[in-house]
Amino acid sequence: EVQLVESGGGLIQPGGSLRLSCAVSGISIGGNFMSWVRQAPGKGLEYVSIMYTGGTTYYADSVEGRFTISRDNSQNTLYLQMNGLRADDTAIYYCARGPNADSWGQGTLVTVSS
Amino acid sequence: SALAQPASVSGSPGQSVTISCTGTSSDVGGYNYVSWYQQHPGKAPKLMIYDVTKRPSGVSNRFSGSKSGNTASLTISGLQADDEADYYCSSVTSSSSLKVFGGGTKLTVL
Repeated sequence: EVQLVESGGGLIQPGGSLRLSCAVSGISIGGNFMSWVRQAPGKGLEYVSIMYTGGTTYYADSVEGRFTISRDNSQNTLYLQMNGLRADDTAIYYCARGPNADSWGQGTLVTVSS
Repeated sequence: SALAQPASVSGSPGQSVTISCTGTSSDVGGYNYVSWYQQHPGKAPKLMIYDVTKRPSGVSNRFSGSKSGNTASLTISGLQADDEADYYCSSVTSSSSLKVFGGGTKLTVL
C-alpha cells in the first residue's frame, strides 16, 4: 500500500521560508512521477510543482523562482522548499504520486500571515 | 486558465447525475488525459477516473467518464449519500507543463 505523509507546514510571516516534506512508503519515489498540489482555504486545487522520474522539474508560474521541488531517494522523501512566501501561498499542500495523482497524502497547512 | 465546472449539482438517492468539465482544444478537447477527483470535507482528493474513461481499482462502477469535443463529463449513477462531496476535473494542457484543474463542483445528495 502506498502511503504519503506530509509535514513541515505552519504559520510563517510574509517573506519567510518553509520546507515541506513528503515521506513515502510502499513505492520508490525515484521511480515515480511526483507532484505538489495546493488548495487555498475554501478554494479549488492547483498544481504547484512536478518532478519526473528522470529529475526534470516544472513549476506553476505563480511560484516559479520561489519554490524548489527536490527528492532524497535514500530517505524516500519528496521536498518543497518555499522561499519568499506571500499571503496568497496560504493553502493546504498535498503531495501526490503518478501523472494521474492516484495517491495523495493528508496534506499540511501553510499559513502566511503577519 | 481553469476548466469550467458547474458550481453545484444535486440529485436524489438512486438517481444519476452528470458533472461537466468544459475546456478548449488546447486541453480537454486535444488530449484523452482527463481525470476526476472526489474530495470529502477535510479530506484529501481521491482519484475516481483517469484517461477520460478509466476507473482505478477499487472505484465503484457507478462512476463513469466520457468526453465530447471540449467537454468531459463525470456521471454518477445510483446516487448514494456518501457521494456527496466536491468533484474536480483535471486535464493535460498545451499551455503549461502542469495539468490544469476545474474550479470544482459541489454534489448534494438530497
